[in-house]
Amino acid sequence: DTGVSQNPRHKITKRGQNVTFRCDPISEHNRLYWYRQTLGQGPEFLTYFQNEAQLEKSRLLSDRFSAERPKGSFSTLEIQRTEQGDSAMYLCASSRRWESEAFFGQGTRLTVV
Amino acid sequence: GEDVEQSLFLSVREGDSSVINCTYTDSSSTYLYWYKQEPGAGLQLLTYIFSNMDMKQDQRLTVLLNKKDKHLSLRIADTQTGDSAIYFCAVPNYGGATNKLIFGTGTLLAVQP
Repeated sequence: DTGVSQNPRHKITKRGQNVTFRCDPISEHNRLYWYRQTLGQGPEFLTYFQNEAQLEKSRLLSDRFSAERPKGSFSTLEIQRTEQGDSAMYLCASSRRWESEAFFGQGTRLTVV
Repeated sequence: GEDVEQSLFLSVREGDSSVINCTYTDSSSTYLYWYKQEPGAGLQLLTYIFSNMDMKQDQRLTVLLNKKDKHLSLRIADTQTGDSAIYFCAVPNYGGATNKLIFGTGTLLAVQP
């Protein structure tokens, strides 16, 4: 399977704990995006990487959130001191170039209890 | 900023045509996209249209674009129960370092057998 892969698919954590999600983009795609989707809403942009450089962060990405793409391949999204409001589906997408279509992974469903 | 609006719900009978509508505010978008999301899953790219086109047909899917009115529609011919899902219109926003996608709230399509 050469699509975008995200792990884990589901994560349940207690409030205050740290969590980390992983995204493996399509191999020849140098652009990688993270989005967050809450129930009943469309996805909202969080952050963007071109190769290993994080070039844009949304205002939604508070100081508790950090994303990395150390070698320009896979990416991780970490949430520190999780809050109940962080409960959402976290989606990763990748694309080949500026105007090309973005392909999404299956997402990681986070539940903070 | 970019705003994308969709109706929330559409119910059709199996075999009928479905038309899902979308309006947007930013006229500078080069491509406009339709994504499909099944329950608990990520987003599947269905089709897209280039902004200099009025219509694009792809098997059972027809996309119509009215740039003057900033209106996009997706027609599904011979709708099947497997088409039941949430459909998102997505428009690129070019502010910042990348062409991040702005999504509508999604239209839930329910296909009755």
